[in-house]
Amino acid sequence: EIVLTQSPTTMAASPGEKVTLNCLASSSVRYMNWYQQKSGASPKLWIYDTSNVASGVPNRFSGSGSGTSYSLTVSSMEAEDVATYYCLQLSSYPFTFGAGTKLELK
Amino acid sequence: QVKLLQSGAALVKPGASVKMSCQASGYTFTDFLLNWVKQSHGKSLEWIGEIYPNSGATNFNEKFKGKATLTVDRSTSTAYMDLSRLTSDDSAIYYCTRSGYSAFAFWGQGTLVTVSS
Repeated sequence: EIVLTQSPTTMAASPGEKVTLNCLASSSVRYMNWYQQKSGASPKLWIYDTSNVASGVPNRFSGSGSGTSYSLTVSSMEAEDVATYYCLQLSSYPFTFGAGTKLELK
Repeated sequence: QVKLLQSGAALVKPGASVKMSCQASGYTFTDFLLNWVKQSHGKSLEWIGEIYPNSGATNFNEKFKGKATLTVDRSTSTAYMDLSRLTSDDSAIYYCTRSGYSAFAFWGQGTLVTVSS
């Protein structure tokens, strides 16, 4: 099973600050997906196939990475970005999620 | 637009079973895989398994083999998940999610299962 380790576990960012969330895989994966989940809501697809921003996602979000190291970047933090972000690998069974990074507003 | 409408919350006794549903609309039901995901309270997400609606073929996370059964009813575009021999560890929100864009692209609203005597 591929284990996805997300860092940091929690972070607080000021409005306008650049934010980078990381996802490290225990084995190489072909690509990474990212989800945003707000309290009481279902996860939403945020970034797919490593770097493609899902429909409706603000263009301040971007994704990058390869092999075992992936990241999601927010170029300029906004209040509406407060949420937990999860990475997901679909390269091998069983599909696995990271434990999540909780992004808060400073 | 794609919608996945899941059945309502369930309160079940330990040792019992529960069957939940996920009704799809807005696309051709048999064209896309459906997956099921577990989220225990305040915790991360776990993939349970997937079903191919056109054939009924399934793949499971080893952890959920013997616990979860996945089926579909193509006449009503509905997927079902049956969870058996429930314990407190099975208390969670369960999501159905449809594949697309090499990802789990669309999600239902979730079904809360509470196991309690």
